[in-house]
Amino acid sequence: ELKVEQNPLFLSMQEGKNYTIYCNYSTTSDRLYWYRQDPGKSLESLFVLLSNGAVKQEGRLMASLDTKARLSTLHITAAVHDLSATYFCAVGRGSQGNLIFGKGTKLSVKP
Amino acid sequence: DVKVTQSSRYLVKRTGEKVFLECVQDMDHENMFWYRQDPGLGLRLIYFSYDVKMKEKGDIPEGYSVSREKKERFSLILESASTNQTSMYLCASRWGQETQYFGPGTRLLVL
Repeated sequence: ELKVEQNPLFLSMQEGKNYTIYCNYSTTSDRLYWYRQDPGKSLESLFVLLSNGAVKQEGRLMASLDTKARLSTLHITAAVHDLSATYFCAVGRGSQGNLIFGKGTKLSVKP
Repeated sequence: DVKVTQSSRYLVKRTGEKVFLECVQDMDHENMFWYRQDPGLGLRLIYFSYDVKMKEKGDIPEGYSVSREKKERFSLILESASTNQTSMYLCASRWGQETQYFGPGTRLLVL
């Protein structure tokens, strides 16, 4: 059974600091997705990582995938308040590719 | 841009009522999904569909059914609503193994 674990589940950061969110998954998969959810809103797609060693960057966020370690990271550089949100990773399961989501990391960036 | 719309943002229903949640996407996506999102439990897949008139159970289908009569529309039905179905319901669609696009969500309260 595929399980997806994120840590930390809660993260309080100061503006300007760097931090990393980790996403571990339990069985082989070559597709990993990152989403952002603002309070009371739906999920917005951030990154799709489709191969080992894939790295994608958008602004202050950078995501990477290590399929051998079954690990993806979401690195936040010089955090700003606008990045406050809940971040989810999701892993494709089986041939149909349904997604299994982690429980999310609630990020709060304080001035 | 992909647009996924849901028929209601907020719904209040009584126990035992039949509830219909509708989802429409405008990008000719073959795959559509219904999730529920609960605090501490993340997103859980209820049902999904890969084609018109086709449906597959997800991880928590009990108490729910779905209908997909047209490619763009995927309906979630609660045959007899119960209080434990109070939740945020999210619809999503995608093409192939690409990222999922989510609707705005329906917050359902069952009294």
